[in-house]
Amino acid sequence: NAGVTQTPKFQVLKTGQSMTLQCAQDMNHEYMSWYRQDPGMGLRLIHYSVGAGITDQGEVPNGYNVSRSTTEDFPLRLLSAAPSQTSVYFCASSWTLRGGSYNEQFFGPGTRLTVL
Amino acid sequence: ELKVEQNPLFLSMQEGKNYTIYCNYSTTSDRLYWYRQDPGKSLESLFVLLSNGAVKQEGRLMASLDTKARLSTLHITAAVHDLSATYFCAGVLPGKIIFGKGTRLHILP
Repeated sequence: NAGVTQTPKFQVLKTGQSMTLQCAQDMNHEYMSWYRQDPGMGLRLIHYSVGAGITDQGEVPNGYNVSRSTTEDFPLRLLSAAPSQTSVYFCASSWTLRGGSYNEQFFGPGTRLTVL
Repeated sequence: ELKVEQNPLFLSMQEGKNYTIYCNYSTTSDRLYWYRQDPGKSLESLFVLLSNGAVKQEGRLMASLDTKARLSTLHITAAVHDLSATYFCAGVLPGKIIFGKGTRLHILP
């Protein structure tokens, strides 16, 4: 098992450019999520998905889009990059348990994004 | 809305000492998670606490959960340098796993 993979590892964008951060998992996890990590802010939830075809907003969704066409993939799109989106982005996945809760999340290695 | 607060946010301690990190959460959470992050790395799961009174231990780390007080603790016993890292707790709302800001732990030789 590769676990949770993310590409690219590093990316530099100019303001206004768009791009997609890729995330894939091979554990057949229903739940997937995207976080951003900024110094002193911990991890903040951007978007999440409880299964293929279902997505919802987290704490800081503005400026980002997601889709979930398959169980394995959960890409994060930056529509028009801004310097405020400079951050480290983590994708995570977990099992959904009976009753709707979640097991521990497995995290990808992260993507370090700089927007100039 | 679930808010998760950790304290302290930064802790410098000497090897061999004991200390506790606190995690308070604002509303009912189905379970409570603890993660570890080394500098420049991703997050690694430490504990999942499922119910009131739950206690889990691994090595020098012990986590507990008091759902009535909405409080979880991570206790470090006889700290060693290898435990230097940032520790996060996280709670669960339907659909959302929300993290605290993390406690950066620095253990001095």
